[in-house]
Amino acid sequence: SQQGEEDPQALSIQEGENATMNCSYKTSINNLQWYRQNSGRGLVHLILIRSNEREKHSGRLRVTLDTSKKSSSLLITASRAADTASYFCATRFTGGSYIPTFGRGTSLIVHP
Amino acid sequence: KAGVTQTPRYLIKTRGQQVTLSCSPISGHRSVSWYQQTPGQGLQFLFEYFSETQRNKGNFPGRFSGRQFSNSRSEMNVSTLELGDSALYLCASSSKTGEETQYFGPGTRLLVL
Repeated sequence: SQQGEEDPQALSIQEGENATMNCSYKTSINNLQWYRQNSGRGLVHLILIRSNEREKHSGRLRVTLDTSKKSSSLLITASRAADTASYFCATRFTGGSYIPTFGRGTSLIVHP
Repeated sequence: KAGVTQTPRYLIKTRGQQVTLSCSPISGHRSVSWYQQTPGQGLQFLFEYFSETQRNKGNFPGRFSGRQFSNSRSEMNVSTLELGDSALYLCASSSKTGEETQYFGPGTRLLVL
C-alpha cells in the first residue's frame, strides 16, 4: 500500500500542552498535506508542504518534512479543547495517476 | 461562498439495493472527488471528475460509479449494495483537476443492513 501512516494512532493531552503527530509514506511525493476531521464529519485542510520545503508554519501549527526519511510531523502548540479531532496526512505521489492517499489518522483528545 | 454540500446526510439501505449520493461543489470549482471512509480501511479515493469526465479512479469494483453534470454537480452510485459498503462517503471539490487543496463536504453516512 502507498498509504501514509500516522503515528501515534491516538494521543491524549491536557489543554496548553503541545501535540506532535507523525506521518510516514513510501514513495516520492510532490507535496504532503495535513487535514483535520471532527467526529465523523468532513475534512478540513490545514496546511500543505511541498517536497522542496523543510518546514512550514501556520498559526499554532508547525509542519516539517524530511524527504530522505519519507516522513512529516505536525506540531500543534498550546493545544485547546477545540483541537480535539482526527488528523490525517495526505500525499500525492510523483508519476503515475494523480491519486491522493490518506493515512489512517491520529486521534487527538485535548482535555480541558 | 457556500461550502461543499452533500445529500442526503444519512441513508439506510438493505443488501442488494442501489443508492445514489449527490454532491454540489463550491461555486466555481470544477473538480469533484469522492472518498469512502471506514474504520477498517480508512479514507480511500474512489474517483475524480473534472469537466464531466472521470480523470482518476481508485481501486473499487465496478459497482461504484459516478458522473458529473455540466454545472459541476456530481453523483455517485453504488449498485448491489453489500454490508461492507457501510461507510461515510465524502465528496471534495477543488478548482481544477489535480489541485492540491481539496474542500470537503460533511459526508453522507450510509448504513447497509
